[in-house]
Amino acid sequence: GENVEQHPSTLSVQEGDSAVIKCTYSDSASNYFPWYKQELGKRPQLIIDIRSNVGEKKDQRIAVTLNKTAKHFSLHITETQPEDSAVYFCAASFSSGNEKLTFGTGTRLTIIP
Amino acid sequence: DAGVIQSPRHEVTEMGQEVTLRCKPISGHNSLFWYRQTMMRGLELLIYFNNNVPIDDSGMPEDRFSAKMPNASFSTLKIQPSEPRDSAVYFCASSFVPPPWSTQYFGPGTRLLVL
Repeated sequence: GENVEQHPSTLSVQEGDSAVIKCTYSDSASNYFPWYKQELGKRPQLIIDIRSNVGEKKDQRIAVTLNKTAKHFSLHITETQPEDSAVYFCAASFSSGNEKLTFGTGTRLTIIP
Repeated sequence: DAGVIQSPRHEVTEMGQEVTLRCKPISGHNSLFWYRQTMMRGLELLIYFNNNVPIDDSGMPEDRFSAKMPNASFSTLKIQPSEPRDSAVYFCASSFVPPPWSTQYFGPGTRLLVL
């Protein structure tokens, strides 16, 4: 089955700096890669996703890049703000009517004011 | 839309008791997922349903766990008998398939503590 590794497990950055979280996956057939943000005591919420036919996607301060050859994808947050502090999870799935997501272990991001 | 609804939000019970967690997916969604989240094991998929049919239950830890989806708007996850190691946050999520690559929307979770 699919295996997703996520690094780093914790990350602290100064407010205004950029943060990068990286994930690798094992199943070359995976074609959908969402990122979820989970604030303390809350539910995971989708912040951005990318399909395997796209190399990069941006949404304001958030971007995701995908390297299918190397089987890794990354989340980039620019101009970080205190409200970006949360746990971020990457995930991967092979969509052929099977919506099973395999999640990474999460990255706790702390923005230092 | 109210989103995915879960009940109860918190449950404290004693070892050996039966626990039933409930989920109402987003109206119109046809896939439903049960996850368990702990510090040690992260987010684990327990089981998922498509059109009320269980598709993959390989994540269900053992026979003490069972899940049902009697109709498109309701699902239960039952633990009988419960054990302290079952303490976790249990999330339900739903999505609509097709098209592929559908977003999974999570409910608020049920925080379970087994004493």
